[in-house]
Amino acid sequence: QVQLQESGPGLVKPSETLSLTCDVSGYSINTGYCWVWIRQSPGKGLEWIGSVYKTGSTYYSPSFRGRVSISVDTSTNQFSLRLTSVTAADTAVYYCSRATMGMENRQIVPFYFDVWGQGALVTVSS
Amino acid sequence: EIVLTQSPDTLSLSPGEGATLSCRASQSDTRSSLAWYQQKPGQAPRLLIYGASTRATGIPDRFRGSESGTDFTLTITTLEPEDFAVYFCQLYGASLTFGGGTKVQIK
Repeated sequence: QVQLQESGPGLVKPSETLSLTCDVSGYSINTGYCWVWIRQSPGKGLEWIGSVYKTGSTYYSPSFRGRVSISVDTSTNQFSLRLTSVTAADTAVYYCSRATMGMENRQIVPFYFDVWGQGALVTVSS
Repeated sequence: EIVLTQSPDTLSLSPGEGATLSCRASQSDTRSSLAWYQQKPGQAPRLLIYGASTRATGIPDRFRGSESGTDFTLTITTLEPEDFAVYFCQLYGASLTFGGGTKVQIK
């Protein structure tokens, strides 16, 4: 059974960097799929942040480009999110997820999300 | 950027009734398809439908997806108590975006 688990600080100060890690069990990242970060602000909808493939190839939402970095560590079967210069607007539940994928404009892009972590609430506040 | 608009915002129904949820794309994109998710309070979303009409593994056949041009529909033929939740649509392929959600609540 594939399981994903987010971990990281639940409180981040404004202007600092949000860092989260997703631990994948029951499936090897090296086998395939895209690995994705998605967030959901309190009481609001879902927002895709970006994705990473086992090779390290990344694909980011234009809304976060310039502030986001997603990396993968196949030796530990984990992938990570870094979001810089955070503000209160970045307060949200952050989910890691596994996605089927395809090619678009020669880039590996995520399609739909079939396995999700339970989510990690990150609050941006001083 | 394609925008997905879900309607209605809230659907108030009784168990045993049928539900029809709409998701409309702001423009046509033949390179993209659609998925539907169910989310209950305090839980992560769960994949229901992909490819507009293919049920994900383990999803009961009372959940049915369909498409007509830029209009996508999720139909729950007979609502079970566990179906009361928020439903999101998601476009993928050339574009990746989520709709704002429809809450199906008990009347």
